Amino acid sequence: AQKITQTQPGMFVQEKEAVTLDCTYDTSDPSYGLFWYKQPSSGEMIFLIYQGSYDQQNATEGRYSLNFQKARKSANLVISASQLGDSAMYFCAMREVTTDSWGKLQFGAGTQVVVTP
Amino acid sequence: DVKVTQSSRYLVKRTGEKVFLECVQDMDHENMFWYRQDPGLGLRLIYFSYDVKMKEKGDIPEGYSVSREKKERFSLILESASTNQTSMYLCASRPGQVLGAYEQYFGPGTRLTVT
Repeated sequence: AQKITQTQPGMFVQEKEAVTLDCTYDTSDPSYGLFWYKQPSSGEMIFLIYQGSYDQQNATEGRYSLNFQKARKSANLVISASQLGDSAMYFCAMREVTTDSWGKLQFGAGTQVVVTP
Repeated sequence: DVKVTQSSRYLVKRTGEKVFLECVQDMDHENMFWYRQDPGLGLRLIYFSYDVKMKEKGDIPEGYSVSREKKERFSLILESASTNQTSMYLCASRPGQVLGAYEQYFGPGTRLTVT
């Protein structure tokens, strides 16, 4: 069964606007971590932000913030003040800590973001 | 600076050929991973390794094998390539047995076409 769901295959956003990328997850593990990666057209995966299941506050890294709603099992990525260089595929991923010692990640299908001038 | 390299960015092979995809990391990481990426499916784990000569199957190991003879190098092997193995292959590494937020570091990917 799909453990990470990203319902938006693609979206357009205007430069300087904020954009929210949806991610819902499914786990019964009480200890887990949620990651967001960016993949530009060049192909490399760039780590953006992390949220642990026990973290009390939403994670932020520069223009990236994670809207973590534990009860709803959602971990949406918010990119503020979009730039043309933000055009990329974005992946949400999860690690189930209790059941996995190795740091394996499960990925969603991804959301393609295109930033327009 | 953290670095994961993959032997080829693009590779074209014929059906039935034996294919080797090489991955090298310079961070002294214990854990290494091979994923394939397909549109609409995201990344799916093929195999991973947590030590030299140690390996575990991921979610889609069929048709693949791996080799880890040295800590820094993790190879993915397609014993007899088939057209349904045409895909983007991504290697990643991570320190072993660490707690908290520790992401995987990815290589640039190998786009494999099997004709």
